[in-house]
Amino acid sequence: DADVTQTPRNRITKTGKRIMLECSQTKGHDRMYWYRQDPGLGLRLIYYSFDVKDINKGEISDGYSVSRQAQAKFSLSLESAIPNQTALYFCATSDRHFTFEQFFGPGTRLTVL
Amino acid sequence: AQSVAQPEDQVNVAEGNPLTVKCTYSVSGNPYLFWYVQYPNRGLQFLLKYITGDNLVKGSYGFEAEFNKSQTSFHLKKPSALVSDSALYFCAVRDTNAGKSTFGDGTTLTVKP
Repeated sequence: DADVTQTPRNRITKTGKRIMLECSQTKGHDRMYWYRQDPGLGLRLIYYSFDVKDINKGEISDGYSVSRQAQAKFSLSLESAIPNQTALYFCATSDRHFTFEQFFGPGTRLTVL
Repeated sequence: AQSVAQPEDQVNVAEGNPLTVKCTYSVSGNPYLFWYVQYPNRGLQFLLKYITGDNLVKGSYGFEAEFNKSQTSFHLKKPSALVSDSALYFCAVRDTNAGKSTFGDGTTLTVKP
């Protein structure tokens, strides 16, 4: 089984709809992250969480919210989706020390019509 | 603020030839540098990292990277490219104060037979 899973893998929705992307991990890591990937723009950090009670905004948090339900689960919500939120979304985890690499989920391809 | 630059959007090499994917960075304090690879329809996978010590770092799949502090560079290299190395490569730097990473925009490597 994959260490970091994301659901759904693909989603098409309409402008104004609320949508939730879910991430689960079995690596036992404290730190979890949400990124979006757009062609030519690399990965941009949306939100990150260093433990269940610690949630921080990244560089592009407007229009998004998150919930850290447990150490293993970190959800990303779009309260009212808009077309420019069409992107590939990745969840990632890492161990506590900053020398450790990140482990990425397979991604969710979101299309907002 | 930390930043990463990958000056080439695309790198093309012939199979069997050496390859270099360039990365330069800017960070206050000690740099913690990472390379990741993304294959089509997959999440990012960790290749290698520089934390401290030897400037030449060896990683997965025969890749290595050279850390150059004076030039603030961390170029990814492989002595003999394979067609299967064709993918999107990301360089990342970690901020030791905040613990979050900044990614470059990515470089698409194409290895032709």
